[in-house]
Amino acid sequence: EAQVTQNPRYLITVTGKKLTVTCSQNMNHEYMSWYRQDPGLGLRQIYYSMNVEVTDKGDVPEGYKVSRKEKRNFPLILESPSPNQTSLYFCASSLTLSGYGYTFGSGTRLTVV
Amino acid sequence: GEDVEQSLFLSVREGDSSVINCTYTDSSSTYLYWYKQEPGAGLQLLTYIFSNMDMKQDQRLTVLLNKKDKHPSLRIADTQTGDSAIYFCAESHGGSQGNLIFGKGTKLSVKP
Repeated sequence: EAQVTQNPRYLITVTGKKLTVTCSQNMNHEYMSWYRQDPGLGLRQIYYSMNVEVTDKGDVPEGYKVSRKEKRNFPLILESPSPNQTSLYFCASSLTLSGYGYTFGSGTRLTVV
Repeated sequence: GEDVEQSLFLSVREGDSSVINCTYTDSSSTYLYWYKQEPGAGLQLLTYIFSNMDMKQDQRLTVLLNKKDKHPSLRIADTQTGDSAIYFCAESHGGSQGNLIFGKGTKLSVKP
């Protein structure tokens, strides 16, 4: 089944403790992206990647890092999480830049205390 | 900058039609998407329309696009309680960032 898999689904952590949210897709998509969803703000892009070793900042990249060492994986790294990064995170992948055929993961709900 | 606006809430009775409106500002938009998010779930692509189209119908879903006013709308015919969810309008122009710009979402409540 074609899908984007995120792990974990839920995570509660403490301020400053490094964490990684994994994202993997099995559709051979070149384009992958991370979004965060906050009440009243909709979804905002954090980082995106157009191919292996090609990543760039989205609209809200502060406090996040990403890497794209393999085509299928696009982990999101929070080196020193803070409470304002409490949010619902979505990974997405697409065959094209236009967003056509975007497939979203099920989401990771992160709470930073 | 680019912006996508939606009304935040819509309440309809089961069996009625629902119309969810959206407005975008980016004149270079190429695609307009409608996503559905059920509680605790990810985003499901419902339908999309190219910005040079006027209308697209897919079973109970109809997307209308007023290109002049950059005003897409999603019509759900014979709305069911299972249609209760948050609906997001999103636009992209396939630029170098490939970003989808989302509206804040419209929460549709369907009353029996």
